[in-house]
Amino acid sequence: GAVVSQHPSWVICKSGTSVKIECRSLDFQATTMFWYRQFPKQSLMLMATSNEGSKATYEQGVEKDKFLINHASLTLSTLTVTSAHPEDSSFYICSASPGRDYGYTFGSGTRLTVV
Amino acid sequence: DAKTTQPNSMESNEEEPVHLPCNHSTISGTDYIHWYRQLPSQGPEYVIHGLTSNVNNRMASLAIAEDRKSSTLILHRATLRDAAVYYCILDSSNTGKLIFGQGTTLQVKP
Repeated sequence: GAVVSQHPSWVICKSGTSVKIECRSLDFQATTMFWYRQFPKQSLMLMATSNEGSKATYEQGVEKDKFLINHASLTLSTLTVTSAHPEDSSFYICSASPGRDYGYTFGSGTRLTVV
Repeated sequence: DAKTTQPNSMESNEEEPVHLPCNHSTISGTDYIHWYRQLPSQGPEYVIHGLTSNVNNRMASLAIAEDRKSSTLILHRATLRDAAVYYCILDSSNTGKLIFGQGTTLQVKP
């Protein structure tokens, strides 16, 4: 149980375009989901906390107008990278948990390449 | 947020036990201790987590010090598929967020 599905697994886009990444909890409801970014050979960096039915909470230094997060249902959160530039190229990962007693499940990640 | 300290890398031989240490001296009373591992180009995989008592599951064991300022992840028989970056993380009771450190890169030799 506790499966998180992330789509797409990879995407290549042109500079200036927007890209949407989906994160779904398949067998549990998640009022909160988390979005991370990971650059090559570095650890995961928390970008934001996605809250169902309300605004996301962004970590310091993360541009909320560039990384739009929508958590419209208890099983789906989306991250939209707007006006993408090559420096936004990274590995984006979401996570969610059925509850603190269960640990967190991570998506398989989305490799974004902006050309 | 409370932080964790792990060795950058460790080596193990296949089929031998591995003990991965983690220090978390500033842990709060209600912080859970989590362990995840990550293979290249994949999302982290849950390994185990606990609060105060030692925990066992099919993947590993978690030994938590009595003062909770350190813990050890135990892989009972390392396989080549256990080669990964292992992250020890505290689940903050205040925020519910996982803050990743640099982790320990485990190499398993055949």
